[in-house]
Amino acid sequence: GAVVSQHPSWVICKSGTSVKIECRSLDFQATTMFWYRQFPKQSLMLMATSNEGSKATYEQGVEKDKFLINHASLTLSTLTVTSAHPEDSSFYICSATFRGYQDNEQFFGPGTRLTVL
Amino acid sequence: SQQGEEDPQALSIQEGENATMNCSYKTSINNLQWYRQNSGRGLVHLILIRSNEREKHSGRLRVTLDTSKKSSSLLITASRAADTASYFCAADSWGKLQFGAGTQVVVTP
Repeated sequence: GAVVSQHPSWVICKSGTSVKIECRSLDFQATTMFWYRQFPKQSLMLMATSNEGSKATYEQGVEKDKFLINHASLTLSTLTVTSAHPEDSSFYICSATFRGYQDNEQFFGPGTRLTVL
Repeated sequence: SQQGEEDPQALSIQEGENATMNCSYKTSINNLQWYRQNSGRGLVHLILIRSNEREKHSGRLRVTLDTSKKSSSLLITASRAADTASYFCAADSWGKLQFGAGTQVVVTP
């Protein structure tokens, strides 16, 4: 299957700073990329859907000014957590869909663990 | 809420036993998927069952889907210690995945 990578795999930052997380598709050009967050011992919550060259579509309750998504190319989407606070500490996971795969199968990155001090 | 229900929340079994977990969802779906997640790691796709399918097998995995009840089950047969993980169902509705709350499975040798 297609490979999706994330960078960094973990990051620790001070409260008030901004953190950028990259999501890359390594083999193919992605049609759509998704961003999820996961709190400890909880499930994944979809934050936003991102298509190359267009604005991301955010889920209800997700602040678009807080979580900036830039989908600059067909292989790269970035999530920037602006003015991070301890409550933003979470596991952020991206996924991507690709042409040629049935059922809009999503391929997931390994996740980025963000800790805000 | 995005999340569907999964039960049980936690399951502890011995190697060789079968593990069954259930999932319910809320909307109409294109397909239903099951994932495994080891602690602090990414998701591993296990199996996908389409809305017009009722049962599917893959190795030691058996998935059923009842669209009239909006529910699915995952059976892992002859469990192994390496099956210890959290298992999530995800309902695909128009390209968006809505994840269940997850079942934490512990398989003891």
